[in-house]
Amino acid sequence: GAGVSQTPSNKVTEKGKYVELRCDPISGHTALYWYRQSLGQGPEFLIYFQGTGAADDSGLPNDRFFAVRPEGSVSTLKIQRTERGDSAVYLCASSLTGRAGELFFGEGSRLTVL
Amino acid sequence: AQSVAQPEDQVNVAEGNPLTVKCTYSVSGNPYLFWYVQYPNRGLQFLLKYITGDNLVKGSYGFEAEFNKSQTSFHLKKPSALVSDSALYFCAVRDGGDNTDKLIFGTGTRLQVFP
Repeated sequence: GAGVSQTPSNKVTEKGKYVELRCDPISGHTALYWYRQSLGQGPEFLIYFQGTGAADDSGLPNDRFFAVRPEGSVSTLKIQRTERGDSAVYLCASSLTGRAGELFFGEGSRLTVL
Repeated sequence: AQSVAQPEDQVNVAEGNPLTVKCTYSVSGNPYLFWYVQYPNRGLQFLLKYITGDNLVKGSYGFEAEFNKSQTSFHLKKPSALVSDSALYFCAVRDGGDNTDKLIFGTGTRLQVFP
């Protein structure tokens, strides 16, 4: 499809396990963003890529969270030693240039840590 | 740091009546302001943005927003609400300078339109 694609749509894991969430942005979009949305809250910024490099990772909560975008397209958000507090919907968005444009969001990956 | 506030958790309105969803902002410099909508089980969708120019911005689905610098507000409006407008609405502000689309979102306002 033409939109931002996120997989898996749902992930249930046990505390302490490792999780990877994938984002496939719109073709040609240079900027890619990860957000986290907890129940009843607005999206919370995690990290922003411009091309292959992380331009701003100030929102990553701690060193258990890491994200990559090795070829400037698909991105993977990696969470080590998951905790129950990591349960949330993880949203990915992309934009054409990364300059005050419109963000296009995927439907999110719902992570539940038991 | 840039921030936005949405003072209402929920807004209820009858179909056909005008609606307003409130947002106030706190920024240093010129504000870049946005409204997004989230329908159930769907991703956030862009509605409209204010960067510069006319204070009244028109967007998707008949929505508009009024930028008011003196009141630091950017309220979302629609002259006649539809039941299908029922959704979660987020105000957002750009943060981080000219070379980023990084947005800081408010906590959201649930709009319920009753038939």
